[in-house]
Amino acid sequence: AAGVIQSPRHLIKEKRETATLKCYPIPRHDTVYWYQQGPGQDPQFLISFYEKMQSDKGSIPDRFSAQQFSDYHSELNMSSLELGDSALYFCASSPWTGGANTEAFFGQGTRLTVV
Amino acid sequence: GQNIDQPTEMTATEGAIVQINCTYQTSGFNGLFWYQQHAGEAPTFLSYNVLDGLEEKGRFSSFLSRSKGYSYLLLKELQMKDSASYLCAVRGDYKLSFGAGTTVTVRA
Repeated sequence: AAGVIQSPRHLIKEKRETATLKCYPIPRHDTVYWYQQGPGQDPQFLISFYEKMQSDKGSIPDRFSAQQFSDYHSELNMSSLELGDSALYFCASSPWTGGANTEAFFGQGTRLTVV
Repeated sequence: GQNIDQPTEMTATEGAIVQINCTYQTSGFNGLFWYQQHAGEAPTFLSYNVLDGLEEKGRFSSFLSRSKGYSYLLLKELQMKDSASYLCAVRGDYKLSFGAGTTVTVRA
């Protein structure tokens, strides 16, 4: 079965550089969530999209932006990278059917290292 | 907002049963998820509850009481490979909010 696909799996950037993370949700899933997870931490919600519109926003720095495209894939753009941005970034997708859903699956994540 | 609490750590013996409790207070509720996560890997979906009661899936069961804001994940016949972090996540209106996770260590 198709899963959530994230690319790249690993990314190394220098401070002040820009990074773009991509997420391809499971087909027919219209909701995408982005999370940041530091070592030993629980996933921190960054932002979500429903039907290509931003639906909720968490603790996402102003240096980060995201969008969902017409084919439902999403991209997280990160600028002026800082050492503290080094983390695992997960994308999850789910269907939104009448306010309830039965699944929300995660991609394998992108490990971003800022040096 | 969401406030989700679960124990930090639990230890159990191989073959035993462990119950991980999760309590939550949320501004909206559209279901509660349990995930398993090994270090450095993505969370793996285990179960979903939106109605009160028990959902059973093999060795794993999950229970929900919406009126009490309470859920538990029951792991039976523990195996060494069950050593992992278990995350309780509540879906509000448009986001999944996670608890801090419970690290379960299975000992021989």
